[in-house]
Amino acid sequence: DIQLTQSPPFLSASVGDRVTITCRASQGISSYLAWYQQKPGKAPELLIYGASTLQSGVPSRFSGSGSGTEFTLTISSLQPEDFATYYCQQLNGYPPWTFGQGTKVEIK
Amino acid sequence: QVTLKESGPALVKPTQTLTLTCTFSGFSLTTSGMRVSWVRQPPGKALEWLARIDWDDDKFYSTSLKTRLTISKDTSKNQVVLTMTNMDPVDTATYYCARTRLEDYHQYMDVWGKGTTVTVSS
Repeated sequence: DIQLTQSPPFLSASVGDRVTITCRASQGISSYLAWYQQKPGKAPELLIYGASTLQSGVPSRFSGSGSGTEFTLTISSLQPEDFATYYCQQLNGYPPWTFGQGTKVEIK
Repeated sequence: QVTLKESGPALVKPTQTLTLTCTFSGFSLTTSGMRVSWVRQPPGKALEWLARIDWDDDKFYSTSLKTRLTISKDTSKNQVVLTMTNMDPVDTATYYCARTRLEDYHQYMDVWGKGTTVTVSS
């Protein structure tokens, strides 16, 4: 199975900061990567698919980039509602699919 | 409006079989390209993808759990059922179902249910 490694696992930041989360795949997955946001006690919500396509309704401060084995999620100006845990997921071809271990973004 | 809702027992005993139902509305699993996936999350841990069923009845499973999982659908009821045999306390988790779409060669899980919590304990 393809493994995903997210870094950092924890991130402490202030409102207004630019935040970048990295996701590395154990083998090339082209651009078949999605990012999700999860708040405590809630289901995950899709932010980005195809590595860089913003899901409808997601604020433009979120962006994704990368292809092959290295991907990034960037929040250009962190807002109070963005404090959450973020997961990457590879959806390369047929399953099985995998998630990263998550990055928790906390208030500094 | 697309919605999904998971249902099933909150408590199961070790060695028992778990049956979870995902009841959805706002889309049809007879539509070409439509899929439904199951994902679980143990308390305080990461998401784990479990299984997927497609509009054409193709089925896919987690490598580590494939001997214990069965996914099926009832299109007349708009339901997807996941069974997991030989339950163990490590299977304690919140179980989610999610609509899974294929668009321009990209797949993604765009609408999720709220999840159902399952505890495995004697």
